[in-house]
Amino acid sequence: DAGITQSPRHKVTETGTPVTLRCHQTENHRYMYWYRQDPGHGLRLIHYSYGVKDTDKGEVSDGYSVSRSKTEDFLLTLESATSSQTSVYFCATRMGTEAFFGQGTRLTVV
Amino acid sequence: DQQVKQNSPSLSVQEGRISILNCDYTNSMFDYFLWYKKYPAEGPTFLISISSIKDKNEDGRFTVFLNKSAKHLSLHIVPSQPGDSAVYFCPTDKLIFGTGTRLQVFP
Repeated sequence: DAGITQSPRHKVTETGTPVTLRCHQTENHRYMYWYRQDPGHGLRLIHYSYGVKDTDKGEVSDGYSVSRSKTEDFLLTLESATSSQTSVYFCATRMGTEAFFGQGTRLTVV
Repeated sequence: DQQVKQNSPSLSVQEGRISILNCDYTNSMFDYFLWYKKYPAEGPTFLISISSIKDKNEDGRFTVFLNKSAKHLSLHIVPSQPGDSAVYFCPTDKLIFGTGTRLQVFP
């Protein structure tokens, strides 16, 4: 257990509203990731970070932004939520070859 | 540009038998290959890895084989147990995960 906490764990929001998901780690891992899980698509990488203020796009970054102002926190923001962003979101950190995942955030956009 | 592909979305195996999960990759520049498993409502967990300079790595019931010439990776689980029922991923070393294979082990 790499001490990864995602908040909130569940959220329902309306279309067009901004949403921020938080990932907090206690292990001081340099790399952090955000994924979404959807049926038929497996896990898709949204954005990742390789250090404070250093982020890059993943496979499905459109409609999402991220920020990392501290080593321990990686925020994922949906600027204007859409129904297609209804999903389960996972945060991960990485140490060497191994990644450690949080418990996930279930986001529903209505 | 999908760098790894798991062409079998699901696999059903009887308890005690061997489960074989497969991945094909397109990029030969990976330093190592990984296997993760995921239970419902949980994040994936690391299972086993293999360096690109090896062709086999074993850990208990789990063995990963790497065929570099065929760009093929496989995971063998022997003997399979009901608790192995999960979705298995073979992400790249850049942690691109792909679609996964759902393994069901029945009694």
